[in-house]
Amino acid sequence: DADVTQTPRNRITKTGKRIMLECSQTKGHDRMYWYRQDPGLGLRLIYYSFDVKDINKGEISDGYSVSRQAQAKFSLSLESAIPNQTALYFCATSDGMRTKAFFGQGTRLTVV
Amino acid sequence: EDQVTQSPEALRLQEGESSSLNCSYTVSGLRGLFWYRQDPGKGPEFLFTLYSAGEEKEKERLKATLTKKESFLHITAPKPEDSATYLCAVQAGGSNYKLTFGKGTLLTVNP
Repeated sequence: DADVTQTPRNRITKTGKRIMLECSQTKGHDRMYWYRQDPGLGLRLIYYSFDVKDINKGEISDGYSVSRQAQAKFSLSLESAIPNQTALYFCATSDGMRTKAFFGQGTRLTVV
Repeated sequence: EDQVTQSPEALRLQEGESSSLNCSYTVSGLRGLFWYRQDPGKGPEFLFTLYSAGEEKEKERLKATLTKKESFLHITAPKPEDSATYLCAVQAGGSNYKLTFGKGTLLTVNP
């Protein structure tokens, strides 16, 4: 089983719909992240959380919200999806400062 | 603002033809520089972490090096299975230790 699991793996939704992407991890890490990847733009940080009570905005948080339900679970929501949120979304975890991040397999989201 | 620039954007090699990928960075107080490999449709997979200028790390056909301004990923005698996108990321002090990624280099190794 994967250490960082994202669901769903693929999703097509309509403009204006609310959608939630879920991430769970079995690595026991405190730090969790949501990234977005677009062709030609690389990976950009949306939100990050250093523990259950600590949520921080990344560089592109507008239009997104997150919930850290437990140490192992970190969800990303699009309150009202728009087409330019079509992208590949990755969840990642790490166990502290100066340590490598472990990524999930990604969720491919298409907003039509 | 932290910046990471990777070059070239794409590189095509013949099997056995050694080469290097470049990652230049501008960051306030480098805490670590990371190299990842990403296969199509998959999440990035960790390769190396480098913390200080002069440091080198090796794994099979890959060797990563670090200076104060840039990092190189050297690929020796590559094989087709080395084909992937290689991502570089920096972690800066004073920014809650988040990663800033470059756009990646797409490496294709032809048999």
